[in-house]
Amino acid sequence: EVQLVESGGGLVQPGGSLRLSCAASGFTFSRYWMSWVRQAPGKGLEWVANIKEDGSEKYYVDSVKGRFTISRDNAKNSLYLQMNSLSAEDTAVYYCARLYNWKPDYWGQGTLVTVSS
Amino acid sequence: QSALTQPASVSGSPGQSITISCTGTSSDVGSYNLVSWYQQHPGKAPKFMIYEVSKRPSGVSNRFSGSKSGNTASLTISGLQAEDEADYYCCSYAGSSTLVFGGGTKLTVL
Repeated sequence: EVQLVESGGGLVQPGGSLRLSCAASGFTFSRYWMSWVRQAPGKGLEWVANIKEDGSEKYYVDSVKGRFTISRDNAKNSLYLQMNSLSAEDTAVYYCARLYNWKPDYWGQGTLVTVSS
Repeated sequence: QSALTQPASVSGSPGQSITISCTGTSSDVGSYNLVSWYQQHPGKAPKFMIYEVSKRPSGVSNRFSGSKSGNTASLTISGLQAEDEADYYCCSYAGSSTLVFGGGTKLTVL
C-alpha cells in the first residue's frame, strides 16, 4: 500500500524558515517524480514544486522560486521542502504527492504551515 | 502559471447528472491530454478520480467520466449521490515539467 506521511509543519514567524519532510513507503520511491502541492485555508490547490526521480531536475511555481528548495533522499525514501523567507501568503496545508505521468496519484494527509507573528 | 478556470459551484439533485468545466489555454489543457481530476471532502486529502482526460483509476465509480474539447476539460458525474458532495479540482500538465490546478468547484447535492 502506497503511503506518504508529511511532517515538519508548525507556526513560524514572517521571514522565518521551515523544513517539511515526507516519508514514502509501499512503492519504489526512486522510480518516481515527486511533488509538493499546497492549499491555503479555504482556498484551492496550488502546485508548488516537482523533482525528478534522481533529484537532478527541480521545478517551482514562480511565487516560491528563490525561497523554496525541493530535495529528496532516495536512500531514506524521503522528500523534503526547505522553505525560507516565509510570509503570510505561504500559510497553507502542504501535501506531498507521487507523480506518475504528470498526474499526482497518491497524496499524503498534509502538514499545516502557519506563518504569523 | 495562471490557475485553470472552474465554476465556483454547481449543484444537482440525487440521480441527476452534472458537469464541471475546466478551462485553460493552448499552453496547458489544449496542448496535452494530461488532465486529471480530484475529489476533496472537507478536511481530507484530495482523491484521484480521472487521469489523462478520461481514464478512471481502479476503484473509481463509472459514474465519473471526463472529456476534453480544445482548451476546456470537463468532469461529468452521473446518478448523483449524497456522497459526491465535495470540492472538485482539475489539474493539467503545463509544459516544462510543471503542473497547474483549477480553482476548484464546490458540488452541492440538493
